[in-house]
Amino acid sequence: KQEVTQIPAALSVPEGENLVLNCSFTDSAIYNLQWFRQDPGKGLTSLLLIQSSQREQTSGRLNASLDKSSGRSTLYIAASQPGDSATYLCAGIKAAGNKLTFGGGTRVLVKP
Amino acid sequence: ETGVTQTPRHLVMGMTNKKSLKCEQHLGHNAMYWYKQSAKKPLELMFVYNFKEQTENNSVPSRFSPECPNSSHLFLHLHTLQPEDSALYLCASSQEGTGTSGANVLTFGAGSRLTVL
Repeated sequence: KQEVTQIPAALSVPEGENLVLNCSFTDSAIYNLQWFRQDPGKGLTSLLLIQSSQREQTSGRLNASLDKSSGRSTLYIAASQPGDSATYLCAGIKAAGNKLTFGGGTRVLVKP
Repeated sequence: ETGVTQTPRHLVMGMTNKKSLKCEQHLGHNAMYWYKQSAKKPLELMFVYNFKEQTENNSVPSRFSPECPNSSHLFLHLHTLQPEDSALYLCASSQEGTGTSGANVLTFGAGSRLTVL
């Protein structure tokens, strides 16, 4: 059973449209949530980390929210650009220890 | 340059070979990790080292043998692998979290793409 789920698995939008990526988790022990970007064949780049005391984090066109009560996090990317095309992964961090549990990712294609 | 360097970037090996993956971090972190990314599966944690001590082994087969000689270096020794072990192996590092207020921001390397023939 997957603890962290990302829906949809793939998303294609025209340039300029806002992106909404969803992440849900079932383990109530998850208290921080981290979003990453992965380009094909590359490693992961950390985008945003939301700690349990926060409800959202913003960086430029990116905004991530965290609702622990419902077990959900959402990554918003405003005014998408072709350069935003990548796979976006969310990962939950539990209170005990320092390991991340990853979702399967959402593969995003922004068409010019 | 992410501060976490992995070598080699690509590796092809036979099932009887012995090879090693290397990871080096220049960030002053004290926790290092190995993750496996297979096609169509979520990233799987393999091993965690804190201050050179292994604190997590996620039921990884013994044909994968990690080594952490110091807080800056992490190796993954590979022996008698199977074709299903072909994957992208990612190394990461972080500052060890401090209780529930700790924010463990992981920094990942670019990965080593392994193909087992």
